[in-house]
Amino acid sequence: KNEVEQSPQNLTAQEGEFITINCSYSVGISALHWLQQHPGGGIVSLFMLSSGKKKHGRLIATINIQEKHSSLHITASHPRDSAVYICAVVSQGGSEKLVFGKGTKLTVNP
Amino acid sequence: EPEVTQTPSHQVTQMGQEVILRCVPISNHLYFYWYRQILGQKVEFLVSFYNNEISEKSEIFDDQFSVERPDGSNFTLKIRSTKLEDSAMYFCASSQNRPPSIQYFGAGTRLSVL
Repeated sequence: KNEVEQSPQNLTAQEGEFITINCSYSVGISALHWLQQHPGGGIVSLFMLSSGKKKHGRLIATINIQEKHSSLHITASHPRDSAVYICAVVSQGGSEKLVFGKGTKLTVNP
Repeated sequence: EPEVTQTPSHQVTQMGQEVILRCVPISNHLYFYWYRQILGQKVEFLVSFYNNEISEKSEIFDDQFSVERPDGSNFTLKIRSTKLEDSAMYFCASSQNRPPSIQYFGAGTRLSVL
C-alpha cells in the first residue's frame, strides 16, 4: 500500500512558467514535508507543514488536512529549479519516521 | 551554515563484508536518522536515534544493521554482512527539535556491494 502519492511523475516546463506539484496521502498525519533532491543526490528540506500555507521566495506550499492533499507551487520557474521534488509525511501517533513519495522530476528549460 | 557531513561519499565493498558509514550531525541537534534510497526508488526510513538509543526502526532495519553514537559528534550505521541488495544511497539526517521537525540531510554515501 503506497501511503504517499505524487503527481505528476515527470514535469517539463519553460522558464517563467508557474509550476504545481501535487501530493496525496492516505493516513492521518502530524506533518508533511516537501524536499528537493538535486541531480547529484543531495536532499534539502524546503517546508514542513501541518496546516495552511507557507511561502519562501518563489516557493509556496499548501496543505488541506481534510482532503489529505498538499501542493507545492513554484512561481516564475527557472532552470535552476530543475530537481526531483519529494513529498514525505509523518504519521500521527508519535511516529518519527518520514514516509516518502516517489518524487516528481521537474525539468525547466530556458 | 552548519551542515550534516557524511563519509565516505562512495564505498565499494564485497558481499559479506562489514561496512561502517559515518555521519557528523549538526552540533546542537539531538535527533538523528538514517535513510536509504535504492537506485530509481523512493527514499526509505531505516532508523531514528535519540538520547543514545534507537527510538524507532523500520522492517528493513534487521539484525544486520546497527547504529551508534561513539562520541559526541559521530553517528554511524554499521552493516554487518553486506548483501547485493544493500547497494543504495544512504542518507544521514539530524534535527534539533522533537519530531516532527525539519530534518537536515547529509549529501549521502553511495554503497556499492559487489
